[in-house]
Amino acid sequence: DADVTQTPRNRITKTGKRIMLECSQTKGHDRMYWYRQDPGLGLRLIYYSFDVKDINKGEISDGYSVSRQAQAKFSLSLESAIPNQTALYFCATSDSQGTGTDTQYFGPGTRLTVL
Amino acid sequence: SQKIEQNSEALNIQEGKTATLTCNYTNYSPAYLQWYRQDPGRGPVFLLLIRENEKEKRKERLKVTFDTTLKQSLFHITASQPADSATYLCALKLNDYKLSFGAGTTVTVRA
Repeated sequence: DADVTQTPRNRITKTGKRIMLECSQTKGHDRMYWYRQDPGLGLRLIYYSFDVKDINKGEISDGYSVSRQAQAKFSLSLESAIPNQTALYFCATSDSQGTGTDTQYFGPGTRLTVL
Repeated sequence: SQKIEQNSEALNIQEGKTATLTCNYTNYSPAYLQWYRQDPGRGPVFLLLIRENEKEKRKERLKVTFDTTLKQSLFHITASQPADSATYLCALKLNDYKLSFGAGTTVTVRA
């Protein structure tokens, strides 16, 4: 079984709809992240969480919110989806107690299309 | 401002040749640099990490160098194979929380 899973894998929605993307991990890592990837722009950090009680904005958090329901679960919500939020979304984890390098372990991604 | 740049153009090479990718950065003093591989429609996968006090790191057919004076890392795939075709991302840690990624270089290895 995959260590980092994301649901759904693909989603098509309409402008104005609220949508939630979910991420679960079995790696036992304390840190979790949400990124979006757009062609030519690389990965951009939306939100990150260092533990269940710690949530922080990344570089492009406007229009998004997150919830860390448990150490293993981190969900991303789009409150009112707009077309420029069409992108590939990745969840990632890292272990602060490991090598100290925050090597990231990514999920398979969610392809979101907002019409 | 801080910036990470990778080869902007895709790299097409013949099987068996060495692919060399560059990652340049400005205004950073990273303690280490990471390289990831990403296949189409999939999440990046960690390949190698090199620290500022290491000049070179190897893993099987992969070799990474890190020149903190030039602010550059080179990523080499030796004896390349079609299965090496993917996008390769470099990443630097800016501070305690943020790992910044380059846009990636796409490598295609022709049989």
